[in-house]
Amino acid sequence: KAGVTQTPRYLIKTRGQQVTLSCSPISGHRSVSWYQQTPGQGLQFLFEYFSETQRNKGNFPGRFSGRQFSNSRSEMNVSTLELGDSALYLCASSQQGWMNTEAFFGQGTRLTVV
Amino acid sequence: QKEVEQNSGPLSVPEGAIASLNCTYSDRGSQSFFWYRQYSGKSPELIMFIYSNGDKEDGRFTAQLNKASQYVSLLIRDSQPSDSATYLCARTQGAQKLVFGQGTRLTINP
Repeated sequence: KAGVTQTPRYLIKTRGQQVTLSCSPISGHRSVSWYQQTPGQGLQFLFEYFSETQRNKGNFPGRFSGRQFSNSRSEMNVSTLELGDSALYLCASSQQGWMNTEAFFGQGTRLTVV
Repeated sequence: QKEVEQNSGPLSVPEGAIASLNCTYSDRGSQSFFWYRQYSGKSPELIMFIYSNGDKEDGRFTAQLNKASQYVSLLIRDSQPSDSATYLCARTQGAQKLVFGQGTRLTINP
């Protein structure tokens, strides 16, 4: 059974640019969550999608957005990149959410903004 | 007050001993708790989740949950050098969000 797949694995972008990250969940999983991980802040929740609907959003500026497709694949977009957006972006998939069920992370996308 | 508190470590344990990792949380409404292991430069790997008071065992790992005291712990028996990693504790906030602690860095000394 394939795991959670994130692409690309590494990205280098310039300030002011935008970036799109992709996440393909485990087959049969309909919930996809996105997290930002930095050394100072740890893992911070970005948003969660289920059946193409955003059910919850973290405390990030509107430059961070996402969507989910009918096949449960998800994308997140960051516009007008800032140096502070450099981080490891992780997505996690589960069948229906985090309640009493297993949830698995992808390998992450390492974004560096220069 | 942090929502999920963990001792950042490093926690140093000799090989073969029991490693004990602790986590406290502030939201009594939390229902499920997760332990993830993260090696440097890698993504978090699920160890186990627990939602009922008491113990849950999986191989060398035992999670313990005490909702009245608002803590959850992870015991690693027969610790191996390969267990050296950062251990992340997390609690659910509703069904759509997981709130993580800062992690405890564990080192197993041969």
